Amino acid sequence: NAGVTQTPKFQVLKTGQSMTLQCAQDMNHNSMYWYRQDPGMGLRLIYYSASEGTTDKGEVPNGYNVSRLNKREFSLRLESAAPSQTSVYFCASRSDADTQYFGPGTRLTVL
Amino acid sequence: AQSVTQLDSHVSVSEGTPVLLRCNYSSSYSPSLFWYVQHPNKGLQLLLKYTSAATLVKGINGFEAEFKKSETSFHLTKPSAHMSDAAEYFCVVSWGSARQLTFGSGTQLTVLP
Repeated sequence: NAGVTQTPKFQVLKTGQSMTLQCAQDMNHNSMYWYRQDPGMGLRLIYYSASEGTTDKGEVPNGYNVSRLNKREFSLRLESAAPSQTSVYFCASRSDADTQYFGPGTRLTVL
Repeated sequence: AQSVTQLDSHVSVSEGTPVLLRCNYSSSYSPSLFWYVQHPNKGLQLLLKYTSAATLVKGINGFEAEFKKSETSFHLTKPSAHMSDAAEYFCVVSWGSARQLTFGSGTQLTVLP
């Protein structure tokens, strides 16, 4: 049982480059989330998707876009990366019992 | 919006002694509260959750937390610390129709031999 998977694990970008972070879950959950974690802080919500075909902004959405491709997959795109987007990114999905399960994270560095 | 405040950014205990990690929450109604643990360079693991069924919640690895509405607190405890408990701990509240999570700033637990 893989749970929530994320690719890549690590990425280094130059300012202005674009990339897409991939997330997939095999638990048949409706809701999925993207968070970022910066040093000394808890996770902050970037975007979420309550169900297939819907997405909404979270606390820190600027500079990001998302796509809920199907029930399993929820991707996060950086169109023009900036150093302020250097962070660890976590994807999560939520069960009907209101518990969120997290992926292993993607460590992104923007130079 | 809801919020949580973790009162200690760092806690150090000796192996075999009790652990207390403090968390206060702000909510206009009865919240869903969680404790997650994050080991170095790892993802987040759920320790326990409170969803109004019982005020004393037991979690994995001997941890438990007590929900006190009068004090708006949800402190995490463990009777006897183990070296493997060294990690960062997050108090978290779930809110809104999308059940998004708001995290505290974290408490780094160090366990001394």
